[in-house]
Amino acid sequence: AQTVTQSQPEMSVQEAETVTLSCTYDTSESNYYLFWYKQPPSRQMILVIRQEAYKQQNATENRFSVNFQKAAKSFSLKISDSQLGDTAMYFCAGLKAGGTSYGKLTFGQGTILTVHP
Amino acid sequence: DAGITQSPRHKVTETGTPVTLRCHQTENHRYMYWYRQDPGHGLRLIHYSYGVKDTDKGEVSDGYSVSRSKTEDFLLTLESATSSQTSVYFCAATGGYTGELFFGEGSRLTVL
Repeated sequence: AQTVTQSQPEMSVQEAETVTLSCTYDTSESNYYLFWYKQPPSRQMILVIRQEAYKQQNATENRFSVNFQKAAKSFSLKISDSQLGDTAMYFCAGLKAGGTSYGKLTFGQGTILTVHP
Repeated sequence: DAGITQSPRHKVTETGTPVTLRCHQTENHRYMYWYRQDPGHGLRLIHYSYGVKDTDKGEVSDGYSVSRSKTEDFLLTLESATSSQTSVYFCAATGGYTGELFFGEGSRLTVL
């Protein structure tokens, strides 16, 4: 079984500043994927970034980057140069690799991020 | 998105009534999923399908059933709705091993 924990129910940041959202992922699996999804007020789920556990290099997508510390089971999301459009609920999620696990994600509780002008 | 639509988008019903939510995809994804979203729980998997007529239970399957008679359609049925099933329901689909899920817009169900 996997567990995903997001310990920050809410965060806020000023526009143009940097914010880091925390996530811990506990699993006995040796290989897995980790994701951050964004859910704006429209309710649409949008993939922000994806990390494969066997890769040492941290994933980066434009202003979004992750800090994956495998031994510490930590998977944090850093948003640089925050924009008003980044205001959303952010979900951390994990997925066991291989077999028929494909879309069977385990989600964290979510963090509401508010970007202030 | 990836061509995933859910219907209805909003529904209010009464305890004890049957409810069916429909998910339709246009991308020919093999794998489809139903999740529910509740405050403090994130999203939790209800049921999933790995092909036509092939379905299995997820983490919170009690009180729900699913059917998939065509690749493009995945139905979620609440045989007798209860207030604990008030939630936002998401359909999702994927075609392969990368694990990237494509989500529908969500269906908000209120059971009175």
